[in-house]
Amino acid sequence: EPEVTQTPSHQVTQMGQEVILRCVPISNHLYFYWYRQILGQKVEFLVSFYNNEISEKSEIFDDQFSVERPDGSNFTLKIRSTKLEDSAMYFCASTTDRNNEQFFGPGTRLTVL
Amino acid sequence: ELKVEQNPLFLSMQEGKNYTIYCNYSTTSDRLYWYRQDPGKSLESLFVLLSNGAVKQEGRLMASLDTKARLSTLHITAAVHDLSATYFCAVVNFGNEKLTFGTGTRLTIIP
Repeated sequence: EPEVTQTPSHQVTQMGQEVILRCVPISNHLYFYWYRQILGQKVEFLVSFYNNEISEKSEIFDDQFSVERPDGSNFTLKIRSTKLEDSAMYFCASTTDRNNEQFFGPGTRLTVL
Repeated sequence: ELKVEQNPLFLSMQEGKNYTIYCNYSTTSDRLYWYRQDPGKSLESLFVLLSNGAVKQEGRLMASLDTKARLSTLHITAAVHDLSATYFCAVVNFGNEKLTFGTGTRLTIIP
């Protein structure tokens, strides 16, 4: 069964460094999302992406964040200069249509030291 | 702004007992999801509820939706240990696509 994959599973970085989190959505999906979950808290929406552009973003998704679909298969989240409070689990999700169920990847745990 | 609240936040119950988790949301919605999350893991979709009065059941879990009351329930029947997890509801607004998650209910089933 097709699934969303994410790499790496765990990323440790120093404050101020750039990180890129990678996702491979399910192949026929057209809508892509990033969510994050700070340890012990609820899941929060970051951004949605369709047709090579951002369709919606949350207040969390400030100028330090960017997304890209560089090659037709990967979907990346870049954090330009990480802060301690960026430490969280980041989930990628994808779907065929904005009204359909989103399928989540296994997540990348980001630890900022 | 859509707000989604769950209660209780923590639930410890004995095997064999029944209990209900509640999910309230603040504005009209066209879809509601229930997810299960094991520690350190991703979100596993349990149910999608689309219309008022919708009821879905899978094993010992049953979910229902009352759109007039803006309330969904997840009922656990005769709990078993492997149902221990955190359960989230998530709501989608009309005309929107992002999921707004509830606070989660951490369920612990005691043998």
